[in-house]
Amino acid sequence: RKEVEQDPGPFNVPEGATVAFNCTYSNSASQSFFWYRQDCRKEPKLLMSVYSSGNEDGRFTAQLNRASQYISLLIRDSKLSDSATYLCVVNGGGWGKLQFGAGTQVVVTP
Amino acid sequence: DGGITQSPKYLFRKEGQNVTLSCEQNLNHDAMYWYRQDPGQGLRLIYYSQIVNDFQKGDIAEGYSVSREKKESFPLTVTSAQKNPTAFYLCASSMDRGNTEAFFGQGTRLTVV
Repeated sequence: RKEVEQDPGPFNVPEGATVAFNCTYSNSASQSFFWYRQDCRKEPKLLMSVYSSGNEDGRFTAQLNRASQYISLLIRDSKLSDSATYLCVVNGGGWGKLQFGAGTQVVVTP
Repeated sequence: DGGITQSPKYLFRKEGQNVTLSCEQNLNHDAMYWYRQDPGQGLRLIYYSQIVNDFQKGDIAEGYSVSREKKESFPLTVTSAQKNPTAFYLCASSMDRGNTEAFFGQGTRLTVV
């Protein structure tokens, strides 16, 4: 089983709609969680950290469910510029190795 | 400006040659990482270093080597033992051994010709 798993998509989303997707992780000792965005042929960039109580940044909302070991990302009022691959990142417990999921592709259409 | 710099952006290598990819950061981060990304795939960890003069193998270390003689620098050598080296290589750093977010360089695209 992979340490971090994501639905690869693509999620085809009409402009203005809401899209949500999850990421599951296997290491129950993981302490830190992040969502990154990666555009085609570019480096990943931090979108947001994920806190235990859940957090929101504009149109983006992240949630953490420790009991079921998954994190989620919700994008409201999708823009064309939101088209990208979204990477789930989890630290590996004590020594802090960052593990990346393979990414979820989102395509926002006019 | 603080940041993480990778060079070169594009690199072509003949089969059987070793090549070294540069990664420098001026963020005063302790931890540094090397990842490999193949087309349509996620990031796979090659090596990571939590402190100067120390580094550990990641999930796909075979055919690669690294050094961490200075806090700012974490070069990656792709050796001739790496049978399929064509890929996008990403270097990252973080302040605190993965408990804080990682920042990435712009990457190096290595092609074997």
